[in-house]
Amino acid sequence: SQQGEEDPQALSIQEGENATMNCSYKTSINNLQWYRQNSGRGLVHLILIRSNEREKHSGRLRVTLDTSKKSSSLLITASRAADTASYFCATYETSGSRLTFGEGTQLTVNP
Amino acid sequence: DTGVSQDPRHKITKRGQNVTFRCDPISEHNRLYWYRQTLGQGPEFLTYFQNEAQLEKSRLLSDRFSAERPKGSFSTLEIQRTEQGDSAMYLCASSSGLAEPYEQYFGPGTRLTVT
Repeated sequence: SQQGEEDPQALSIQEGENATMNCSYKTSINNLQWYRQNSGRGLVHLILIRSNEREKHSGRLRVTLDTSKKSSSLLITASRAADTASYFCATYETSGSRLTFGEGTQLTVNP
Repeated sequence: DTGVSQDPRHKITKRGQNVTFRCDPISEHNRLYWYRQTLGQGPEFLTYFQNEAQLEKSRLLSDRFSAERPKGSFSTLEIQRTEQGDSAMYLCASSSGLAEPYEQYFGPGTRLTVT
C-alpha cells in the first residue's frame, strides 16, 4: 500500500518560479527520499534526508522534514522547463528494508 | 553505461502467455529490488534480494509471479499466465546495502502490455 501522500497532485508554474511539493507519511522512518521521473522513464534519485535532519540543500533543491508531523516538502527554486516531471517522495521505514512511494506530484514548468 | 539495465524495454503479450524480464544491477551492489508501477501511481514494492537470497516479498506478488537472482548478479522476474491487470511498468533498482541509508538506483523499466 502507498504510505506517502503528495500534495498537490499536479502543479503548473512558469519558468523562473519556485515549486513546492509536500509529502506526508504514516510510520516511523529511517530516511525520506525524493525521486524524479520523466514521462515513461525510470526514477532518478534527487535527495535524501535522514530522520534526524530537518533541512537539506542540493543545488536548486531544498528539502525539509518534520518528523513530529510526519511530513516533508521539496522546494525547487528558479524552475526550468526541463524540471517538468513527476516527483515522488519515498520513505525508508525503520523496521523495513524497502522504499514506500507516494503517488507523486506532476510538475509542469511552462517556458 | 554502469547503471541499472533492464531488458526488454517494452513487451506486448497476449493474456495467458508467460513473460520474463531481466535486470542487471550496478555491479558492486548486493541488493536488488523489483517494483511495479501503474499509470499515474507511484512504484509499489514487489520483492528484494540481498545477494542471491530473496528476503522479502510483497502480498502483490501472487503465485503467478516468481523472481530469481542466481549467483547474486542479474535477476529475472517471470509472470505466468498473464492477465490484463498485469499491464504496468516493472522497475528494477539496486543499492549497495553495505551501510544505510540505502539509496536505490533505478533502471529504465520494462513496460508490459497484456492484450
